[in-house]
Amino acid sequence: QVTLKESGPGILQPSHTLSLTCSFSGFSLSTYGMGVSWIRQPSGKGLEWLASIWWNDDTYNNPSLKSRLTVSKDTSNNQAFLKVTSVDTADTATYYCTHTLPANWFAYWGQGTLVTVSS
Amino acid sequence: DVQMTQSPSNLAASPGESVSINCKASKSIGKYLAWYQQKPGKANKLLIYSGSTLQSGTPSRFSGSGSGTDFTLTIRNLEPEDFGLYYCQQHNEYPLTFGSGTKLEIK
Repeated sequence: QVTLKESGPGILQPSHTLSLTCSFSGFSLSTYGMGVSWIRQPSGKGLEWLASIWWNDDTYNNPSLKSRLTVSKDTSNNQAFLKVTSVDTADTATYYCTHTLPANWFAYWGQGTLVTVSS
Repeated sequence: DVQMTQSPSNLAASPGESVSINCKASKSIGKYLAWYQQKPGKANKLLIYSGSTLQSGTPSRFSGSGSGTDFTLTIRNLEPEDFGLYYCQQHNEYPLTFGSGTKLEIK
């Protein structure tokens, strides 16, 4: 059974760096073909894919966020991480992590963590 | 980027009826389209991938069709638990992109 859970700061100030953790079970990021992706959703709006990291350490980022994103993993502890630098109010959203399969569909989702950027 | 245009934005139907939701890609994505259901307080759920392949656990009243740029999600014999938000997503190329969503409501 695959489960994922996101954790984050809840609220942070503009210009700061957002750090998110995805803790998961039921699969390993050291297993061929496994991936974790990050997706966000501002309240009342649609879904935006942010980044993916794969079993072989390949990473892909959404170019719309330019170079603000860093995705990483800790295979031994079944965790993945997302950092977003220089946040502003437009980064306020619920952030989800997902179990991603090689053809890039999102098989399982966490419940999401709400991040509010406010001074 | 591949733009995904989803229609309608809102849809009202009664239990037992059938509905269709459409998704159009700005360029060919082959068969690589997924559909998700979103409901308050629940994790988002993958329903269909690769255009027409049902994810394990997806009821058979759900079906997906299409290829290239035009895709459809059909739900037959609506059940009360089917009401919610539906999103399409192209999984053919990066950046991965979603449609804007369809809200399916009880009439």
